[in-house]
Amino acid sequence: EAGVAQSPRYKIIEKRQSVAFWCNPISGHATLYWYQQILGQGPKLLIQFQNNGVVDDSQLPKDRFSAERLKGVDSTLKIQPAKLEDSAVYLCASSSPSGLGTEAFFGQGTRLTVV
Amino acid sequence: AQSVSQHNHHVILSEAASLELGCNYSYGGTVNLFWYVQYPGQHLQLLLKYFSGDPLVKGIKGFEAEFIKSKFSFNLRKPSVQWSDTAEYFCAVKSNAGKSTFGDGTTLTVKP
Repeated sequence: EAGVAQSPRYKIIEKRQSVAFWCNPISGHATLYWYQQILGQGPKLLIQFQNNGVVDDSQLPKDRFSAERLKGVDSTLKIQPAKLEDSAVYLCASSSPSGLGTEAFFGQGTRLTVV
Repeated sequence: AQSVSQHNHHVILSEAASLELGCNYSYGGTVNLFWYVQYPGQHLQLLLKYFSGDPLVKGIKGFEAEFIKSKFSFNLRKPSVQWSDTAEYFCAVKSNAGKSTFGDGTTLTVKP
């Protein structure tokens, strides 16, 4: 079974530039998550989709971050404009219906460095 | 708001030593509890989870965890660690609304 695919693996940009990350979840997984993991911290949920609808985006900095999941499969996360403090690993995860007992399956992540 | 606290940031053990990593959470409702592991260069993956029933759960590679509801704890244990257990371990809680919160992780280094 193919896992969660993310690209790119690494990205270096200057502050105030824009960047986009792509995620392809495990086939059939209706729930998709984007997490931000800053060095030394645990993953922090940015946004959660159920199919193509947003379930939780309470911690997404909406002035600069946006995400979409067209057709309920692939998803993109965009940052515009980037700040130095956005340097982190961005993780995508998916799960089958987000019931209480289901775990998330994670991709390798995209390591973003903002200089 | 739910939160997760992992007491140890970095643990160093010798092979064959016993391991216990602490995890406490705060949330007033029904929860699922998870331990995820991230081996060097790999993605986060599930180690074990508690959903309901027996509070002592067993996971992969000889790990187990005990849910103690009265203490809001879900500590991870392994009786004898191996060098290959060197990794970062994350405790997570998932509320009945489907929201997951992770702790800041514990880095385990096992010396051969």
